[in-house]
Amino acid sequence: DAGVIQSPRHEVTEMGQEVTLRCKPISGHDYLFWYRQTMMRGLELLIYFNNNVPIDDSGMPEDRFSAKMPNASFSTLKIQPSEPRDSAVYFCASSGGESYGYTFGSGTRLTVV
Amino acid sequence: AQSVTQPDIHITVSEGASLELRCNYSYGATPYLFWYVQSPGQGLQLLLKYFSGDTLVQGIKGFEAEFKRSQSSFNLRKPSVHWSDAAEYFCAVGGSTNAGKSTFGDGTTLTVKP
Repeated sequence: DAGVIQSPRHEVTEMGQEVTLRCKPISGHDYLFWYRQTMMRGLELLIYFNNNVPIDDSGMPEDRFSAKMPNASFSTLKIQPSEPRDSAVYFCASSGGESYGYTFGSGTRLTVV
Repeated sequence: AQSVTQPDIHITVSEGASLELRCNYSYGATPYLFWYVQSPGQGLQLLLKYFSGDTLVQGIKGFEAEFKRSQSSFNLRKPSVHWSDAAEYFCAVGGSTNAGKSTFGDGTTLTVKP
């Protein structure tokens, strides 16, 4: 199994541009999570899905952030427009259920200049 | 609401010494407990988990953890630390009433002295 696959690994963009982060979960996992990690705020849960349906998006910072999961093998996190304070490492994780634990991707390091 | 406390932000140990990282949790039902490790520039990796049965669980990389319900703790241990164990360690709690979600602690950074 290739694990959770995120792309791109690094993204540098200018303020105001749209950014799309992508995630392919492990096949058979029915939970998918998006996290953001910064030195100041640590690890923050942004949104998570169960069977492609968003369950909790209370961690999404503001309307500039949106996430979709059109099918069981793909999810996107979009920021439009991006701002410098969005600079962080964004992780995707998937899980087979409450007792399974998470498998994390390698993350996307986003820098907004 | 569930929560996890990792009391130590930063711990330094000498290579070859034993290690114990503390984790205390708050959860209203039977908890599922996890330890993850994050090496620099990497995602988090599951070290071990507890959800039932034997309260002493073994994980990868020679780590173990003990669930103590009376103390609401799930401390991580390793008898002899290697330089490659330097990383950040996260404790997490989930459970059947948590709709599939785990709550993470703030992490403990481990430095290993040669």
